[in-house]
Amino acid sequence: GENVEQHPSTLSVQEGDSAVIKCTYSDSASNYFPWYKQELGKRPQLIIDIRSNVGEKKDQRIAVTLNKTAKHFSLHITETQPEDSAVYFCAASINTDKLIFGTGTRLQVFP
Amino acid sequence: NAGVMQNPRHLVRRRGQEARLRCSPMKGHSHVYWYRQLPEEGLKFMVYLQKENIIDESGMPKERFSAEFPKEGPSILRIQQVVRGDSAAYFCASSSTGGSGANVLTFGAGSRLTVL
Repeated sequence: GENVEQHPSTLSVQEGDSAVIKCTYSDSASNYFPWYKQELGKRPQLIIDIRSNVGEKKDQRIAVTLNKTAKHFSLHITETQPEDSAVYFCAASINTDKLIFGTGTRLQVFP
Repeated sequence: NAGVMQNPRHLVRRRGQEARLRCSPMKGHSHVYWYRQLPEEGLKFMVYLQKENIIDESGMPKERFSAEFPKEGPSILRIQQVVRGDSAAYFCASSSTGGSGANVLTFGAGSRLTVL
């Protein structure tokens, strides 16, 4: 089955700097790659997603890139703010709704 | 739209008791997924259901765990004879489609099970 690896497990940045989180997936048939943000004690919330027919998608300070050949996808957050501090999860699925999640990245943005 | 509703939000059980977690999907959603999150860990897929059908239960432990999504009423995740290792947050998610690629999952607030 699908396996998703995520790095780094923790990431600390200064406010205003950029943060990059990377994921790799194993099944080349995967075609949907969402990113979820989870604040402490809260539910995971979708922040951005990308499908395999595009290579990049941007939404204000957040962007996601996808390299299908290498089976890599990345989350980029620019101009980080303290409220970006949370755990971020990548996920992959093969045209179904069963998402396989990465292990998460704890992002801390210091003022 | 009330979103995905889960209850109870917190449940405490003693070893050997049963735990029942309920999930009502978003209005218009007919696909329900259960995920388990152990403390400081990621979300592990357990089971995917549509009304009256289990579509994929490959992540469900073979013993003590069961799930259903009846024609009427919420989806229920049932854990029999709970053990301390079952302590976790159980998240339910729902979506409106399956297999079409237009599949955005919306999560509930989770049910936190503590086994004493």
